[in-house]
Amino acid sequence: DAGVIQSPRHEVTEMGQEVTLRCKPISGHDYLFWYRQTMMRGLELLIYFNNNVPIDDSGMPEDRFSAKMPNASFSTLKIQPSEPRDSAVYFCASSWARGSSGNTIYFGEGSWLTVV
Amino acid sequence: KQEVTQIPAALSVPEGENLVLNCSFTDSAIYNLQWFRQDPGKGLTSLLLIQSSQREQTSGRLNASLDKSSGRSTLYIAASQPGDSATYLCAVNGNKLVFGAGTILRVKS
Repeated sequence: DAGVIQSPRHEVTEMGQEVTLRCKPISGHDYLFWYRQTMMRGLELLIYFNNNVPIDDSGMPEDRFSAKMPNASFSTLKIQPSEPRDSAVYFCASSWARGSSGNTIYFGEGSWLTVV
Repeated sequence: KQEVTQIPAALSVPEGENLVLNCSFTDSAIYNLQWFRQDPGKGLTSLLLIQSSQREQTSGRLNASLDKSSGRSTLYIAASQPGDSATYLCAVNGNKLVFGAGTILRVKS
């Protein structure tokens, strides 16, 4: 399997522009996670989906952020409008299950976002 | 709220040394704990996963232990090599996967 695939790998955009990050999870995985990593706050869970349904979006910082999973093989994280403080690495991850069954979570290579 | 702390924040050792990375967590109601490795500019690679009912897991030169009651885990790396240089992250899985800040390891040749 190719692993979790994210695009774009790097993006530089101007403040106020819309940013869309994309993720293709590992085939067969039914959980998908979006994380954000910054030097100040480390890795933070933004939102996760189970069988394409958003389960917990309490980590989404504000209404400018939205995430969708229209099907089992694709998810997007959108920021509109973007601000300089959104600059971070955004990771997508997937797994077969969460919690008690404790399957390993697999991460993509990340999307490195810079908002100027 | 689960909090995960990793000590030390950074570590520099000569090649060949055995070393221990520490992870502590505040809420012992967890399903499992994972250790990850992150290389600069890369994503996270899972190294070991320990279920809450287990005490340790081993993979090659890596051994991870878990003491759920005391809220502690250690990652032991035997005979360290320059290729082990990376950031090592501990993540605790309860209702959410909560990460520590990581330990930056440098193994000098």
